[in-house]
Amino acid sequence: EADIYQTPRYLVIGTGKKITLECSQTMGHDKMYWYQQDPGMELHLIHYSYGVNSTEKGDLSSESTVSRIRTEHFPLTLESARPSHTSQYLCASSGQRGGVSSTDTQYFGPGTRLTVL
Amino acid sequence: KNQVEQSPQSLIILEGKNCTLQCNYTVSPFSNLRWYKQDTGRGPVSLTIMTFSENTKSNGRYTATLDADTKQSSLHITASQLSDSASYICVVSDRGSTLGRLYFGRGTQLTVWP
Repeated sequence: EADIYQTPRYLVIGTGKKITLECSQTMGHDKMYWYQQDPGMELHLIHYSYGVNSTEKGDLSSESTVSRIRTEHFPLTLESARPSHTSQYLCASSGQRGGVSSTDTQYFGPGTRLTVL
Repeated sequence: KNQVEQSPQSLIILEGKNCTLQCNYTVSPFSNLRWYKQDTGRGPVSLTIMTFSENTKSNGRYTATLDADTKQSSLHITASQLSDSASYICVVSDRGSTLGRLYFGRGTQLTVWP
């Protein structure tokens, strides 16, 4: 059982609101990721982090921002939500502390289903 | 363009039957291939991972195969159970970076009927 948590699980908000999606892991993983997934579609990487104070944009352009101040915490923020942001957001982590390998399995959180009205 | 294609898009089988899901990829240079199971409204959970030198890997009733020459993989589910109803996602990693870039398929939606 993966120890990676996301809150809230569901969020319905109005256009223009600022929101933060929380993601925490207790596995000591260095690498963390945010994915966006629409129904029936593949996951798209929007942000990732190699470790504390490291953040990079992924393949899919996103108006969201992330921060990595602590190893276990990787929040995603939308400054002004729009209906086009409606989607499922999945957080994942991989790798042991101090270790880097392309075969590291990514462990996913349960996701946050965001609806912007 | 690196791609991962899965078939069928959806599949309905009766409880107790076997099924095979397919994955074709064009990712290069290849590092590894994983199969994930994603229950509705949940995050994906890893089932198997295979590197270039491995051509089969089992995890209980799940058996994955890999043909790196033809760039094809399959996931065989034996004696299906109702709890197997989920989306099965094929994920291929390249060797282009330390991070190991992941390429996701759209998944096969499996429904097991009693």
